[in-house]
Amino acid sequence: EVQLVESGGGLVQPGGSLRLSCAASGFTFSSYEMSWVRQAPGKGLDWVSYISGNSRTIYYADSVKGRLTISRDNAENSLYLQMTSLRAEDTAVYYCVRGYGDYFLDSWGQGTLVTVSS
Amino acid sequence: QSALTQPASVSGSPGQSITISCTGSSSDVGSYNLVSWYQQYPGKAPKLLIFEGSKRPSGVSYRFSGSKSGNTAFLTVSGLQAEDEADYYCCSYGGSFTPYVFGTGTKVTVL
Repeated sequence: EVQLVESGGGLVQPGGSLRLSCAASGFTFSSYEMSWVRQAPGKGLDWVSYISGNSRTIYYADSVKGRLTISRDNAENSLYLQMTSLRAEDTAVYYCVRGYGDYFLDSWGQGTLVTVSS
Repeated sequence: QSALTQPASVSGSPGQSITISCTGSSSDVGSYNLVSWYQQYPGKAPKLLIFEGSKRPSGVSYRFSGSKSGNTAFLTVSGLQAEDEADYYCCSYGGSFTPYVFGTGTKVTVL
C-alpha cells in the first residue's frame, strides 16, 4: 500500500523558514516523480513544485520561485520542501503527492498545515 | 498559467446525472489529452477519479466518467448518490515547466 506521511508543519512568523518532510513507503520511491500541492484554508488546490525521480528536473510555481526548494533523498525514501521568506499567503495545508509521469497525481499524503502569522 | 475555470457549485437529486465543466485554453486542456479529476471530502486529501481525460483508476466507480471538447473538459457523475457530495477539481498538464494546472473547484450538493 502506498503511504505518504508529511511532517514539519507549524506556526512561523512572516519572513521565517520551515522544512517540510514526506516519508514514502509501499512503492519504489526513486521511480516516481513527486510534487507538493497546497491548499489555503477554504480555497482550491494549488500546485507548488515538482521533482523527477532522479532529481534532474525540478519545476516551481511562479508564486514560490526563489523562496521554496524541493529536494528528495531516494536512499531515505523522503521528499522535502525547504521554505524560506515565508509570507501570510503561504498559509496552507501542504500535500506530498506521487505523480505518474507528468500527467496526474495518483497518491496523496494527509497533508501538513503551515501557518504564517505574527 | 491561470487556473482552469469550473462552476463554483453544481447540485442534483439522488439518481440524477450531473456534469461539471472545466475550461482552460489551447495551452493546456485544448492541447493535451491529459486532464485528471479529483474528489475531496472536507478535511481529507484529494483522491484521483479520472486520468488522461477518461480513464478510471482501479476501484473508482463506473458512475464517474470524463470527456473533452476543445478547451473544455467534463466530469459526469451518473446515478448521483449522497456520498458524491464533495468538492471536485480538474487538473491539466500545462506544458513545459508547469506539469499541473488545477481548476478552481466545484462543490457538488446532493439535494
